[in-house]
Amino acid sequence: NAGVTQTPKFRILKIGQSMTLQCAQDMNHNYMYWYRQDPGMGLKLIYYSVGAGITDKGEVPNGYNVSRSTTEDFPLRLELAAPSQTSVYFCASSWRGGGQETQYFGPGTRLLVL
Amino acid sequence: QKEVEQNSGPLSVPEGAIASLNCTYSDRGSQSFFWYRQYSGKSPELIMSIYSNGDKEDGRFTAQLNKASQYVSLLIRDSQPSDSATYLCAPDSNYQLIWGAGTKLIIKP
Repeated sequence: NAGVTQTPKFRILKIGQSMTLQCAQDMNHNYMYWYRQDPGMGLKLIYYSVGAGITDKGEVPNGYNVSRSTTEDFPLRLELAAPSQTSVYFCASSWRGGGQETQYFGPGTRLLVL
Repeated sequence: QKEVEQNSGPLSVPEGAIASLNCTYSDRGSQSFFWYRQYSGKSPELIMSIYSNGDKEDGRFTAQLNKASQYVSLLIRDSQPSDSATYLCAPDSNYQLIWGAGTKLIIKP
């Protein structure tokens, strides 16, 4: 199993540009998450999904959009990039059922907006 | 606003000693608690989970939970240089994990 994969690893965007961060998991997990992590800070939840076709906002959703058309894929869309979106983005997945779960993380995408 | 508090550190511990990492949380409804380790430039990885009051041991790691005091800790025995990392505390709250900012641990040879 590849686990959770993310592409690209690193990207530089100009202010106002858009891009999609890709995330895929091959563990048949029902839950998927997008986080951002700023230097020296904890993880902030952007969006999450409890299954294909179902998404919900997290703590910091402004400026982002998501979709989940399949169990495996959970892309994150940035529209009109701003310098405040410079961060490291992590995708994670988990199986929720039976009350106990572990989140598995992808390697991250480092985004720089100039 | 649900919060998780951790001492940011850095916490410096001699090799072979016990490292003690602490975490307090605000949501009394949290039932599951997780400790993740994050090396610099890498993604978090789970090292311990605990669900009941008391201690849970896994190798050199022991997690301790006190729900009445809203306190969870992680002890690392026989600390090794490879344990140098940032440790993130994450209680489960309404099907989400609420993340602390982490404690940076440095093990000195």
